[in-house]
Amino acid sequence: ETGVTQSPTHLIKTRGQQVTLRCSSQSGHNTVSWYQQALGQGPQFIFQYYREEENGRGNFPPRFSGLQFPNYSSELNVNALELDDSALYLCASTTRREAVDTGELFFGEGSRLTVL
Amino acid sequence: AQSVTQLDSHVSVSEGTPVLLRCNYSSSYSPSLFWYVQHPNKGLQLLLKYTSAATLVKGINGFEAEFKKSETSFHLTKPSAHMSDAAEYFCVVSLGPYGNNRLAFGKGNQVVVIP
Repeated sequence: ETGVTQSPTHLIKTRGQQVTLRCSSQSGHNTVSWYQQALGQGPQFIFQYYREEENGRGNFPPRFSGLQFPNYSSELNVNALELDDSALYLCASTTRREAVDTGELFFGEGSRLTVL
Repeated sequence: AQSVTQLDSHVSVSEGTPVLLRCNYSSSYSPSLFWYVQHPNKGLQLLLKYTSAATLVKGINGFEAEFKKSETSFHLTKPSAHMSDAAEYFCVVSLGPYGNNRLAFGKGNQVVVIP
């Protein structure tokens, strides 16, 4: 158990809808990252937040957006859902010190999104 | 750009025999490298990490990996497979200079342990 919790664990949406996924980071962690893991693939970096600011983004379109709150929890929002957005969405947290020292991330168990 | 390549998407090993998962990396600077494991319906768990200290890295559950710059490799090994080792294993490289914890994952090795 990493202490990173995500909700919901599973959800089903239809194409064109919008979805919000939530992540509560491990206590003391101020950096949150989101990853998308399609079936049979490795996770792909979406973006990272540090102190409520986006601090790096992967190759994802603007309809993928996020927020980080003062308590360091985070949301991932996806607009205009497409079939290819079906995936496991993973949240990971860490401290700035851990990021500098080791680069290690602590992952939640993910939210599985199915788009029909 | 930083990336990792994992061949053999599916690996079958007999219980009690050695495990070898291969990973080759591409990086324009000295990389931070990781192996993560993902059990069914579980989050990703760090097995071990290389961060420019000792080239032979020991991790949890008896796993270890050796960083070989000349071969740009970071293969994962375990002397004797256990049934609980059945899982998916990912080789991972940091996307930026040391301290930037954005990660690039390989496609993974699905390990099956045969009793």
